[in-house]
Amino acid sequence: DAKTTQPPSMDCAEGRAANLPCNHSTISGNEYVYWYRQIHSQGPQYIIHGLKNNETNEMASLIITEDRKSSTLILPHATLRDTAVYYCIVRVSGGYQKVTFGIGTKLQVIP
Amino acid sequence: EPEVTQTPSHQVTQMGQEVILRCVPISNHLYFYWYRQILGQKVEFLVSFYNNEISEKSEIFDDQFSVERPDGSNFTLKIRSTKLEDSAMYFCASRGGTGSTDTQYFGPGTRLTVL
Repeated sequence: DAKTTQPPSMDCAEGRAANLPCNHSTISGNEYVYWYRQIHSQGPQYIIHGLKNNETNEMASLIITEDRKSSTLILPHATLRDTAVYYCIVRVSGGYQKVTFGIGTKLQVIP
Repeated sequence: EPEVTQTPSHQVTQMGQEVILRCVPISNHLYFYWYRQILGQKVEFLVSFYNNEISEKSEIFDDQFSVERPDGSNFTLKIRSTKLEDSAMYFCASRGGTGSTDTQYFGPGTRLTVL
Protein backbone atom coordinates (compact mmCIF):
# COMPACT_ATOMS: atom_id res chain seq x y z
CA ASP A 1 0.00 0.00 0.00
CA ALA A 2 1.21 3.51 -0.77
CA LYS A 3 2.47 5.62 2.11
CA THR A 4 0.39 8.54 3.35
CA THR A 5 1.39 11.67 5.25
CA GLN A 6 -0.99 13.49 7.57
CA PRO A 7 -0.51 16.29 10.09
CA PRO A 8 -0.40 14.82 13.60
CA SER A 9 -3.04 17.14 14.99
CA MET A 10 -5.55 19.83 14.06
CA ASP A 11 -8.11 21.98 15.81
CA CYS A 12 -11.45 23.07 14.44
CA ALA A 13 -14.15 25.29 15.90
CA GLU A 14 -17.50 23.65 16.45
CA GLY A 15 -19.86 24.32 13.56
CA ARG A 16 -17.08 25.14 11.14
CA ALA A 17 -15.83 22.92 8.36
CA ALA A 18 -12.94 20.65 9.23
CA ASN A 19 -10.53 20.10 6.36
CA LEU A 20 -8.13 17.24 6.92
CA PRO A 21 -5.32 16.92 4.37
CA CYS A 22 -3.49 13.81 3.27
CA ASN A 23 -0.53 13.39 0.94
CA HIS A 24 -0.13 10.16 -1.01
CA SER A 25 2.32 11.04 -3.75
CA THR A 26 3.23 7.41 -4.52
CA ILE A 27 -0.35 6.25 -5.05
CA SER A 28 -0.81 3.71 -7.83
CA GLY A 29 -3.52 3.79 -10.46
CA ASN A 30 -5.53 0.99 -8.87
CA GLU A 31 -5.30 2.28 -5.30
CA TYR A 32 -8.23 3.93 -3.57
CA VAL A 33 -8.12 6.59 -0.88
CA TYR A 34 -9.98 5.53 2.26
CA TRP A 35 -10.74 7.51 5.39
CA TYR A 36 -11.49 6.00 8.75
CA ARG A 37 -11.75 7.59 12.16
CA GLN A 38 -11.36 6.29 15.68
CA ILE A 39 -13.16 7.94 18.54
CA HIS A 40 -11.25 7.33 21.75
CA SER A 41 -10.48 3.57 21.85
CA GLN A 42 -13.61 2.64 19.93
CA GLY A 43 -13.40 0.55 16.79
CA PRO A 44 -12.28 2.36 13.64
CA GLN A 45 -15.25 3.75 11.75
CA TYR A 46 -15.36 3.90 7.98
CA ILE A 47 -16.08 7.37 6.63
CA ILE A 48 -15.64 7.49 2.88
CA HIS A 49 -13.46 6.34 0.01
CA GLY A 50 -12.76 7.26 -3.59
CA LEU A 51 -10.61 6.50 -6.59
CA LYS A 52 -10.31 9.75 -8.50
CA ASN A 53 -13.65 11.51 -8.43
CA ASN A 54 -14.78 13.59 -5.51
CA GLU A 55 -17.17 11.75 -3.24
CA THR A 56 -19.79 12.83 -0.76
CA ASN A 57 -21.90 10.95 1.73
CA GLU A 58 -23.89 11.78 4.84
CA MET A 59 -20.74 12.03 6.94
CA ALA A 60 -18.20 13.83 4.81
CA SER A 61 -16.83 14.86 1.44
CA LEU A 62 -13.63 13.60 -0.12
CA ILE A 63 -11.75 15.83 -2.52
CA ILE A 64 -9.00 14.13 -4.52
CA THR A 65 -6.62 16.24 -6.59
CA GLU A 66 -6.46 15.63 -10.30
CA ASP A 67 -3.01 14.04 -10.06
CA ARG A 68 -4.30 11.93 -7.13
CA LYS A 69 -1.25 12.76 -5.06
CA SER A 70 -3.23 14.32 -2.27
CA SER A 71 -6.74 14.49 -0.89
CA THR A 72 -8.80 16.35 1.67
CA LEU A 73 -11.50 15.02 3.92
CA ILE A 74 -14.11 17.64 4.70
CA LEU A 75 -16.47 17.49 7.64
CA PRO A 76 -18.86 20.30 6.67
CA HIS A 77 -20.11 21.24 10.15
CA ALA A 78 -17.86 19.78 12.81
CA THR A 79 -19.41 18.85 16.14
CA LEU A 80 -17.79 17.85 19.42
CA ARG A 81 -18.58 14.23 18.56
CA ASP A 82 -16.27 14.51 15.58
CA THR A 83 -13.26 14.74 17.90
CA ALA A 84 -11.27 11.68 16.90
CA VAL A 85 -8.17 10.38 15.17
CA TYR A 86 -8.66 10.41 11.40
CA TYR A 87 -6.77 7.95 9.23
CA CYS A 88 -6.09 8.39 5.54
CA ILE A 89 -5.30 5.02 3.97
CA VAL A 90 -4.38 4.16 0.42
CA ARG A 91 -5.02 0.62 -0.67
CA VAL A 92 -6.11 -1.58 -3.50
CA SER A 93 -9.76 -2.45 -3.53
CA GLY A 94 -10.93 -6.05 -3.72
CA GLY A 95 -9.47 -9.25 -2.39
CA TYR A 96 -8.92 -9.73 1.30
CA GLN A 97 -6.45 -6.89 1.77
CA LYS A 98 -5.92 -5.71 5.31
CA VAL A 99 -6.19 -2.10 6.35
CA THR A 100 -2.83 -0.65 7.38
CA PHE A 101 -3.30 2.17 9.86
CA GLY A 102 -0.79 4.94 10.38
CA ILE A 103 -0.73 7.48 13.15
CA GLY A 104 -3.46 9.64 11.62
CA THR A 105 -4.54 13.17 12.48
CA LYS A 106 -5.97 13.87 15.89
CA LEU A 107 -8.81 16.33 15.28
CA GLN A 108 -9.93 18.31 18.28
CA VAL A 109 -13.24 20.13 17.83
CA ILE A 110 -13.34 23.12 20.12
CA PRO A 111 -16.61 24.54 21.52
CA GLU B 1 -27.82 -0.46 10.14
CA PRO B 2 -26.02 -3.83 10.47
CA GLU B 3 -22.96 -3.79 12.67
CA VAL B 4 -20.17 -6.00 13.92
CA THR B 5 -20.54 -7.00 17.54
CA GLN B 6 -17.92 -8.29 19.95
CA THR B 7 -18.02 -9.99 23.33
CA PRO B 8 -16.93 -9.51 25.98
CA SER B 9 -16.28 -5.80 26.05
CA HIS B 10 -13.59 -6.31 28.68
CA GLN B 11 -11.73 -9.50 29.57
CA VAL B 12 -9.31 -9.81 32.45
CA THR B 13 -7.15 -12.90 32.64
CA GLN B 14 -4.07 -14.25 34.32
CA MET B 15 -0.86 -14.70 32.40
CA GLY B 16 -0.70 -18.16 30.87
CA GLN B 17 -4.44 -18.59 30.65
CA GLU B 18 -6.34 -19.15 27.43
CA VAL B 19 -8.83 -16.57 26.23
CA ILE B 20 -11.38 -16.61 23.46
CA LEU B 21 -12.60 -13.36 22.01
CA ARG B 22 -15.84 -13.53 20.11
CA CYS B 23 -17.16 -11.59 17.18
CA VAL B 24 -20.37 -11.67 15.20
CA PRO B 25 -19.61 -10.19 11.78
CA ILE B 26 -22.22 -8.51 9.64
CA SER B 27 -24.54 -11.09 8.16
CA ASN B 28 -23.63 -12.19 4.61
CA HIS B 29 -20.13 -10.78 4.86
CA LEU B 30 -17.42 -13.05 3.51
CA TYR B 31 -14.13 -11.66 4.79
CA PHE B 32 -13.19 -11.48 8.43
CA TYR B 33 -10.32 -9.84 10.27
CA TRP B 34 -8.75 -9.35 13.65
CA TYR B 35 -6.73 -6.30 14.60
CA ARG B 36 -5.27 -5.17 17.86
CA GLN B 37 -4.27 -1.87 19.38
CA ILE B 38 -1.91 -1.65 22.31
CA LEU B 39 -2.64 1.42 24.42
CA GLY B 40 -1.28 4.54 22.78
CA GLN B 41 -0.12 2.72 19.65
CA LYS B 42 -1.40 2.15 16.13
CA VAL B 43 -4.07 -0.31 15.14
CA GLU B 44 -2.22 -3.41 13.91
CA PHE B 45 -3.44 -6.13 11.60
CA LEU B 46 -3.37 -9.67 12.98
CA VAL B 47 -5.13 -11.98 10.55
CA SER B 48 -7.62 -12.20 7.72
CA PHE B 49 -9.94 -15.13 7.12
CA TYR B 50 -11.86 -16.10 4.03
CA ASN B 51 -13.55 -19.26 2.84
CA ASN B 52 -12.84 -20.98 6.15
CA GLU B 53 -9.13 -20.47 6.08
CA ILE B 54 -6.53 -17.88 6.96
CA SER B 55 -5.72 -15.75 3.93
CA GLU B 56 -3.04 -13.58 5.53
CA LYS B 57 -1.45 -13.19 8.92
CA SER B 58 1.04 -10.80 10.44
CA GLU B 59 4.20 -11.57 12.37
CA ILE B 60 2.26 -10.91 15.56
CA PHE B 61 -0.05 -13.82 14.81
CA ASP B 62 2.20 -16.62 16.04
CA ASP B 63 1.38 -20.14 17.20
CA GLN B 64 -0.30 -18.81 20.32
CA PHE B 65 -3.09 -17.36 18.22
CA SER B 66 -5.80 -19.14 16.29
CA VAL B 67 -9.04 -18.15 14.60
CA GLU B 68 -12.15 -20.08 13.91
CA ARG B 69 -15.58 -19.66 12.43
CA PRO B 70 -17.35 -22.44 14.30
CA ASP B 71 -20.77 -21.74 12.86
CA GLY B 72 -22.38 -19.44 10.35
CA SER B 73 -22.32 -16.40 12.57
CA ASN B 74 -19.42 -16.34 15.02
CA PHE B 75 -15.77 -15.59 14.38
CA THR B 76 -13.38 -16.20 17.27
CA LEU B 77 -9.82 -15.34 18.19
CA LYS B 78 -8.13 -17.67 20.66
CA ILE B 79 -4.96 -16.88 22.52
CA ARG B 80 -3.68 -20.13 24.04
CA SER B 81 -1.32 -18.88 26.71
CA THR B 82 -1.63 -15.18 27.28
CA LYS B 83 1.36 -12.96 27.96
CA LEU B 84 1.47 -9.56 29.59
CA GLU B 85 2.20 -8.00 26.21
CA ASP B 86 -1.05 -9.36 24.81
CA SER B 87 -2.90 -6.69 26.78
CA ALA B 88 -4.61 -4.56 24.14
CA MET B 89 -7.87 -3.70 22.45
CA TYR B 90 -8.82 -6.36 19.94
CA PHE B 91 -11.01 -5.37 17.04
CA CYS B 92 -12.89 -7.65 14.72
CA ALA B 93 -13.83 -6.48 11.24
CA SER B 94 -15.79 -7.89 8.35
CA ARG B 95 -16.25 -7.07 4.71
CA GLY B 96 -18.87 -8.05 2.20
CA GLY B 97 -17.05 -8.94 -0.96
CA THR B 98 -15.08 -7.68 -3.89
CA GLY B 99 -15.77 -4.44 -5.65
CA SER B 100 -15.50 -0.78 -4.88
CA THR B 101 -17.79 -1.05 -1.88
CA ASP B 102 -15.52 -3.56 -0.15
CA THR B 103 -15.36 -1.56 3.03
CA GLN B 104 -14.24 -3.15 6.25
CA TYR B 105 -16.55 -2.51 9.17
CA PHE B 106 -15.10 -2.74 12.64
CA GLY B 107 -16.61 -3.87 15.89
CA PRO B 108 -16.40 -1.92 19.15
CA GLY B 109 -13.52 -4.02 20.43
CA THR B 110 -12.65 -6.20 23.39
CA ARG B 111 -10.25 -4.80 25.93
CA LEU B 112 -7.99 -7.64 27.07
CA THR B 113 -6.06 -7.15 30.27
CA VAL B 114 -3.47 -9.77 31.17
CA LEU B 115 -2.29 -9.71 34.77
